[in-house]
Amino acid sequence: GQNIDQPTEMTATEGAIVQINCTYQTSGFNGLFWYQQHAGEAPTFLSYNVLDGLEEKGRFSSFLSRSKGYSYLLLKELQMKDSASYLCAVIGYSTLTFGKGTMLLVSP
Amino acid sequence: SQTIHQWPATLVQPVGSPLSLECTVEGTSNPNLYWYRQAAGRGLQLLFYSVGIGQISSEVPQNLSASRPQDRQFILSSKKLLLSDSGFYLCAWSQFGTGSSYEQYFGPGTRLTVT
Repeated sequence: GQNIDQPTEMTATEGAIVQINCTYQTSGFNGLFWYQQHAGEAPTFLSYNVLDGLEEKGRFSSFLSRSKGYSYLLLKELQMKDSASYLCAVIGYSTLTFGKGTMLLVSP
Repeated sequence: SQTIHQWPATLVQPVGSPLSLECTVEGTSNPNLYWYRQAAGRGLQLLFYSVGIGQISSEVPQNLSASRPQDRQFILSSKKLLLSDSGFYLCAWSQFGTGSSYEQYFGPGTRLTVT
């Protein structure tokens, strides 16, 4: 079976750094994705990790440890527009399984 | 470039009425296609996926069904809607392969309210 856990909500201040954690237990592993979803909109791709380590892309970085079943998304220099839900998703043998998402609220 | 379309954008239907949601993809061939539902306070739930015309895999038993009559067309249907069918329905596509080819691209979604 597939199980993905991430915090329900987080708050942070504009300009700060925030780390959103994700732990997973899955049958098969072919990579982990992070998606961003603004309210009422479709998810959009942020990052993909299949090997252990850190992937950096601008203000966003994603880390993976396969042995620990653990990933995090790091957001730097937070902006108000970063207020959104962040979805962790793992691809097993053929399909993506999503976590319930972490709602991030960025305040001035 | 590839684009994915869904319609309608919003829908209000009474309990017991039929449903048909359509999704089409442009700019690619032989995509994998997916239907997800996102209910309030819950994560994205995979309902159906298809790797080719006429091939449908169901992930969750329910009163919904899916069909893929053409390579780039995916339809979600129900004969009789339930209140619990309310939610945000998302269609997605991916090009099967390795690495980030597993990435899925989502359509704009349909907000369904069953009353």
